[in-house]
Amino acid sequence: AQSVTQLGSHVSVSEGALVLLRCNYSSSVPPYLFWYVQYPNQGLQLLLKYTTGATLVKGINGFEAEFKKSETSFHLTKPSAHMSDAAEYFCAVSAGTASKLTFGTGTRLQVTL
Amino acid sequence: DTAVSQTPKYLVTQMGNDKSIKCEQNLGHDTMYWYKQDSKKFLKIMFSYNNKELIINETVPNRFSPKSPDKAHLNLHINSLELGDSAVYFCASSQTQGNYGYTFGSGTRLTVV
Repeated sequence: AQSVTQLGSHVSVSEGALVLLRCNYSSSVPPYLFWYVQYPNQGLQLLLKYTTGATLVKGINGFEAEFKKSETSFHLTKPSAHMSDAAEYFCAVSAGTASKLTFGTGTRLQVTL
Repeated sequence: DTAVSQTPKYLVTQMGNDKSIKCEQNLGHDTMYWYKQDSKKFLKIMFSYNNKELIINETVPNRFSPKSPDKAHLNLHINSLELGDSAVYFCASSQTQGNYGYTFGSGTRLTVV
């Protein structure tokens, strides 16, 4: 079984400030980890993914995430928030041959002036 | 060209009616999925097809029936619609059973009145 916990359903940052969205996972096999972004009334867009190899992965729009096996974490960061980053962010895990993608409950990012 | 397209985008219908949502992908992927997103933004997998074969069937009422005429299409038919079926339904596709990320459609917002 696999699961994802996203800490903080709502995060608010000032424009230009660091963005940190937290994600912890549980998986009985080596996980594949993903971050998706959902803008209002739109579908989900893949930001970045970790499958194997380098544990620090870079994605689109200046986001990056680091896979830390010892902490079972895959936190999403961005050095400087833009107003356009305001959206819902989902962490997801896939593991095993069934490859079902299991999502966290989402974190809504608000960016203020 | 839209990679994963769903129709219709909006669907408003009365309780007890039967409706269908269509999904098509032009990415050449071999696996397709239906996800349901509830009012709290929680995403839950419903079904998955790999090369027209059903591989994931979560605990979903029998009123929901997926059909995959070929690997580029996955439709969702819902019988006897209930108020609780109101949600956004997302179609997605992936290659190699999804461990490299899913591509999502823009969603179908179903409202049952």
